[in-house]
Amino acid sequence: AQSVTQLGSHVSVSEGALVLLRCNYSSSVPPYLFWYVQYPNQGLQLLLKYTTGATLVKGINGFEAEFKKSETSFHLTKPSAHMSDAAEYFCAVSETSGNTPLVFGKGTRLSVIA
Amino acid sequence: NAGVMQNPRHLVRRRGQEARLRCSPMKGHSHVYWYRQLPEEGLKFMVYLQKENIIDESGMPKERFSAEFPKEGPSILRIQQVVRGDSAAYFCASSPSGDSPLHFGNGTRLTVT
Repeated sequence: AQSVTQLGSHVSVSEGALVLLRCNYSSSVPPYLFWYVQYPNQGLQLLLKYTTGATLVKGINGFEAEFKKSETSFHLTKPSAHMSDAAEYFCAVSETSGNTPLVFGKGTRLSVIA
Repeated sequence: NAGVMQNPRHLVRRRGQEARLRCSPMKGHSHVYWYRQLPEEGLKFMVYLQKENIIDESGMPKERFSAEFPKEGPSILRIQQVVRGDSAAYFCASSPSGDSPLHFGNGTRLTVT
């Protein structure tokens, strides 16, 4: 069975500082990995995804994530936080076979301090 | 191209009543997923449907919950005889195929009083 662990339910950074949101996964097959962002009272928006190929994935809004198979990790980073980045971030995993529902982590709430 | 549309946005039901949640997928999307989000929790998969077929309902409670995605019209998640524990945000997502990323709606927030 697949699972996702997001370390830290709440992360607070200063505006302009590095953002690092941690995600570790468990999967018996090569995984598809995703990061989604959720703004208050809205649905989830896809930030980026990893399927195969390059392990460093670039997404929208300046975010990127690196797939590290040896560490079973897919941490999300952004060099410089902006106030508009304040939101809930979810890491998710699915099997490569497709037609398999996403399994989400519990989420990390990012606060950005001016 | 409109996104995934869910209605109502907010739904209040008394214990014992029925709740019907609707989801219209994006144009061209034939795969629909329902997820439930409890406070301070991530999204939990409930059911995966493809036009007129339930593909995977492993995350849906066996009693009181049902889902459909008819040939014409929106997908419906139906909760009978609601209880307070059903209070949550219910999200629908759609995709054009089983391998494609999901596009989420803004959710229906169900409150059971």
